[in-house]
Amino acid sequence: GAGVSQSPSNKVTEKGKDVELRCDPISGHTALYWYRQSLGQGLEFLIYFQGNSAPDKSGLPSDRFSAERTGGSVSTLTIQRTQQEDSAVYLCASSYIQGNEQFFGPGTRLTVL
Amino acid sequence: TQLLEQSPQFLSIQEGENLTVYCNSSSVFSSLQWYRQEPGEGPVLLVTVVTGGEVKKLKRLTFQFGDARKDSSLHITAAQPGDTGLYLCAGESSASKIIFGSGTRLSIRP
Repeated sequence: GAGVSQSPSNKVTEKGKDVELRCDPISGHTALYWYRQSLGQGLEFLIYFQGNSAPDKSGLPSDRFSAERTGGSVSTLTIQRTQQEDSAVYLCASSYIQGNEQFFGPGTRLTVL
Repeated sequence: TQLLEQSPQFLSIQEGENLTVYCNSSSVFSSLQWYRQEPGEGPVLLVTVVTGGEVKKLKRLTFQFGDARKDSSLHITAAQPGDTGLYLCAGESSASKIIFGSGTRLSIRP
């Protein structure tokens, strides 16, 4: 595709429910990143993938968060038993190789009621 | 832990004025990037600086990488309302990990 796409664009869920966020990176990009951004703040690194492997999971805030990437392409970020503090915009980015310019998707705005 | 601090956190100025925002760290970065983010969108890369002391210009925007590669500045000349947005710096460590600063929210009043 022309750019990084994310779905859904908005997600409202109830506390305790599980959610899945999807990221479609730019075709051919081997590196994929997930970030979390609270209202108007900077980006909090969550996890990155090189191919299908996640060498750096250090940013995942708790064991309720998990992510996978299949076929070196699409990635899903799963949050189990959502809490109100999980409310944020979740941004995905991809780059040709790790360390190169990152191209960002528009984000998924998650609201946990 | 490598951290990038940006200042000021918020800046509101009149159209036509000049401004500088800063990105500072106690750590050395192999490169540093500046992004601009508009509401409802992801950040977009403006520039990457690699060499200590490097200066890059992008129209009215001037980016400088500190000699020791620990800090950077973004100077905007004759600010316009279209410059409004969240400006983020991001440093690449020796481990090829990208670390983002907390951002400077810039508002230009017409």
